[in-house]
Amino acid sequence: LAKTTQPISMDSYEGQEVNITCSHNNIATNDYITWYQQFPSQGPRFIIQGYKTKVTNEVASLFIPADRKSSTLSLPRVSLSDTAVYYCLVGDLTGANNLFFGTGTRLTVIP
Amino acid sequence: GAVVSQHPSRVICKSGTSVKIECRSLDFQATTMFWYRQFPKQSLMLMATSNEGSKATYEQGVEKDKFLINHASLTLSTLTVTSAHPEDSSFYICSARLGGYNEQFFGPGTRLTVL
Repeated sequence: LAKTTQPISMDSYEGQEVNITCSHNNIATNDYITWYQQFPSQGPRFIIQGYKTKVTNEVASLFIPADRKSSTLSLPRVSLSDTAVYYCLVGDLTGANNLFFGTGTRLTVIP
Repeated sequence: GAVVSQHPSRVICKSGTSVKIECRSLDFQATTMFWYRQFPKQSLMLMATSNEGSKATYEQGVEKDKFLINHASLTLSTLTVTSAHPEDSSFYICSARLGGYNEQFFGPGTRLTVL
């Protein structure tokens, strides 16, 4: 069961790039890394998923070093609406070990 | 993306009553659904895994007789909180997964308040 560690909270000014790092030292060969965003009183929303190197979509980028023991979610030019809790999970495509949420990172965007 | 709904979105009940929460996958068939509980300022905690047509698998510390889960079809799972007490007040979230894929699709959550 790959455990994840993230900073509890981060603050950023509007318009800045935000990088949130997640440590997963025990990640298994078949594990993927998935990030979710959660607003208060809502269910989590999928942001991005990757296995290695770099993945980019319309909202974020995910950087994964060669050893895959960590990953960094990058949010370009954040706005106030990006204030939320961000969770990283690790698990394989067919197993159940990606269902356990860590503490998450509470991002606060400041005007 | 796939859509998961929950009903009701908010419920207030008296202590000792039972409350049923529905989780539906609207545009896909979910072989597996999951139920989470989230207390204020805390992370999501997995309660149980629900597979269509079979008994749910509960996480350690979750009372199966108190939290009844039924997954009668590929698009519907229900969670019934029996004999609810104030300490059961929480935000309950379900998710569904397409068979063989890692990504979970989460419902909007149900806020339960037990008086």
